[in-house]
Amino acid sequence: DAGVIQSPRHEVTEMGQEVTLRCKPISGHDYLFWYRQTMMRGLELLIYFNNNVPIDDSGMPEDRFSAKMPNASFSTLKIQPSEPRDSAVYFCASSLGGLGSNQPQHFGDGTRLSIL
Amino acid sequence: AQKITQTQPGMFVQEKEAVTLDCTYDTSDQSYGLFWYKQPSSGEMIFLIYQGSYDEQNATEGRYSLNFQKARKSANLVISASQLGDSAMYFCAMILRLSGGYNKLIFGAGTRLAVHP
Repeated sequence: DAGVIQSPRHEVTEMGQEVTLRCKPISGHDYLFWYRQTMMRGLELLIYFNNNVPIDDSGMPEDRFSAKMPNASFSTLKIQPSEPRDSAVYFCASSLGGLGSNQPQHFGDGTRLSIL
Repeated sequence: AQKITQTQPGMFVQEKEAVTLDCTYDTSDQSYGLFWYKQPSSGEMIFLIYQGSYDEQNATEGRYSLNFQKARKSANLVISASQLGDSAMYFCAMILRLSGGYNKLIFGAGTRLAVHP
C-alpha cells in the first residue's frame, strides 16, 4: 500500500524565492496535516484539512505561508517569499479520522528545506 | 499551560534489555489522547502506540507498552527486548480535545535512544 508521498525530498533555494512543497495523502484518508520540524522548536503542527477544507491554520507562522488542498489526493504548502529561518523538515501526514479520534497519523518521509 | 515534557534527551540501553522512555503531560482537560512516534535517522515518523485518557488498561503493541499513570499525568513508553533497529528518536504527543469539537495536537521534544550490542 502506498503511504503518504511528499515531494521534493530535498529543496535548496535562495532566500526570496517561492517554495512549493507537495503531498499526496493515503487514499481514503479524510484528514491531512502539515508539520514543521526544527531543532529549536521541535515538531509543530502548521495546518490541517478535513475533506479538503482547512480546519485550523493557527500554526502557520506568517502570511508568507499558505496551504491548499484542491482535491482529496493532493495538497501544497507554499512559502513566498522564503527566508533562511524557514529552513526545516516539513512533514505531511494523513489520517482516517481527525485529532479527536484514536486513529494514528501516517507521515510522509518529509521535505528537507534549506533556504540560503 | 498544556504541554508535553520528555525529560530524557538521550538514553542508552543494551540490546535485549528493556527500556522506559518518560513522558509527562500537563492538562486540565478530562478527555485527551496520547501517542508515541518513532523517528529513525532516515527521518520518517512511525506511529507506535495510542492511549486514550478513558482507557482503563495500558495500551500494548507487540514489544511496545505504555505505562499510563493518569493521576501522575505520565505516559511512559516501555520497549521490551530492545533491538538495534530501535535506535531512533521517540516522540510523545498529546491530543487535546477542546470545546466545540476543536482539537489540538502537541509534541514533546523527543528522546534519542541508542541501543548498544
